[in-house]
Amino acid sequence: GAGVSQSPSNKVTEKGKDVELRCDPISGHTALYWYRQSLGQGLEFLIYFQGNSAPDKSGLPSDRFSAERTGGSVSTLTIQRTQQEDSAVYLCASSLGTPLEQYFGPGTRLTVT
Amino acid sequence: GIQVEQSPPDLILQEGANSTLRCNFSDSVNNLQWFHQNPWGQLINLFYIPSGTKQNGRLSATTVATERYSLLYISSSQTTDSGVYFCASGAGSYQLTFGKGTKLSVIP
Repeated sequence: GAGVSQSPSNKVTEKGKDVELRCDPISGHTALYWYRQSLGQGLEFLIYFQGNSAPDKSGLPSDRFSAERTGGSVSTLTIQRTQQEDSAVYLCASSLGTPLEQYFGPGTRLTVT
Repeated sequence: GIQVEQSPPDLILQEGANSTLRCNFSDSVNNLQWFHQNPWGQLINLFYIPSGTKQNGRLSATTVATERYSLLYISSSQTTDSGVYFCASGAGSYQLTFGKGTKLSVIP
């Protein structure tokens, strides 16, 4: 079946602009996660959604980052007033529940110039 | 939070050789996954193995939860095995904490 999909695959933006990254989880997966991978920090957790529960935002690095999940399916990660240190690959994952196996999308490579 | 350490950080193998990658974690875990990150950056699931032993073709993994480590075995390595191998674990929560990875290079 279809895996986790993310769009766009690449995004180049100017410093100070806002960006939106999209994630479409595997159908039927109730849990959705955002991570990012950067050279200096490795792979780090950002935010977690489970069903209709309030999301766990404990990994978000600043209040410029926000995310929402509509209808328990598609999620959007928004970064406002982008900075160069936001340049990274943003990965989305989903799972049937927790703590179950997580499956990752191909990522969005964000470059802030 | 949980700490995850992987060794070795880099490994160069001749095609056909066997290897063992290690992952140590600092706390009891209820989720342990091994991934292979291919050259295009995609994380490929290898094993979901919070405890016990599993095998899939030339790959196998063992997690000894009581001693807080997991091992990934690669036998008869091929050039397509090259890439970065990540161990990730979760302890009492849903988020995965990743190790820094082992970069494997298999040369013909």
